[in-house]
Amino acid sequence: GAVVSQHPSWVICKSGTSVKIECRSLDFQATTMFWYRQFPKQSLMLMATSNEGSKATYEQGVEKDKFLINHASLTLSTLTVTSAHPEDSSFYICSASGQHEQFFGPGTRLTVL
Amino acid sequence: SQQGEEDPQALSIQEGENATMNCSYKTSINNLQWYRQNSGRGLVHLILIRSNEREKHSGRLRVTLDTSKKSSSLLITASRAADTASYFCATGYNFNKFYFGSGTKLNVKP
Repeated sequence: GAVVSQHPSWVICKSGTSVKIECRSLDFQATTMFWYRQFPKQSLMLMATSNEGSKATYEQGVEKDKFLINHASLTLSTLTVTSAHPEDSSFYICSASGQHEQFFGPGTRLTVL
Repeated sequence: SQQGEEDPQALSIQEGENATMNCSYKTSINNLQWYRQNSGRGLVHLILIRSNEREKHSGRLRVTLDTSKKSSSLLITASRAADTASYFCATGYNFNKFYFGSGTKLNVKP
């Protein structure tokens, strides 16, 4: 299957700083990517749909000014957590749509101190 | 969860026994997928079933789908300790925007 990578795989930052997470589709072009968040012992929650060349579509309850999404190319989407707080600590997973399935990245664990 | 519930939330069985997990969803779909996740790791795709299919097999996995009841089940036969993980169903339409169920945490005791 297709490969989706995320960078970094884990990050620790101080409260108030911003953190950027990259999601790349390595062997195919993805016009649409998705960002999920998973709190400990919980399920994945869809945060937003990232569309190449246009604005992201956010799920209800997700602050678009806090979670900035940029999908500047067909192989790269970035999620920036701005002014991070400890409650933003979570596992962030991206996925990219292929023709017949979605391919998930390995996830990025964010810890905000 | 955004889409639906899975039950049981947790399941503990002995190696060799079968494990059955159920997933219910809310909206119209044209495909449903099952994933496993080891603690703190990424997702591993297990099996896809489309809305026009009622049952699908893959190795020790058997998935059923009842669109009239908006439910699916995952059966793992002859479980192994290595099957210990969390299992999630994910529903989608045209492989776009998947919503995940609440998950079942399976513990297979050796």
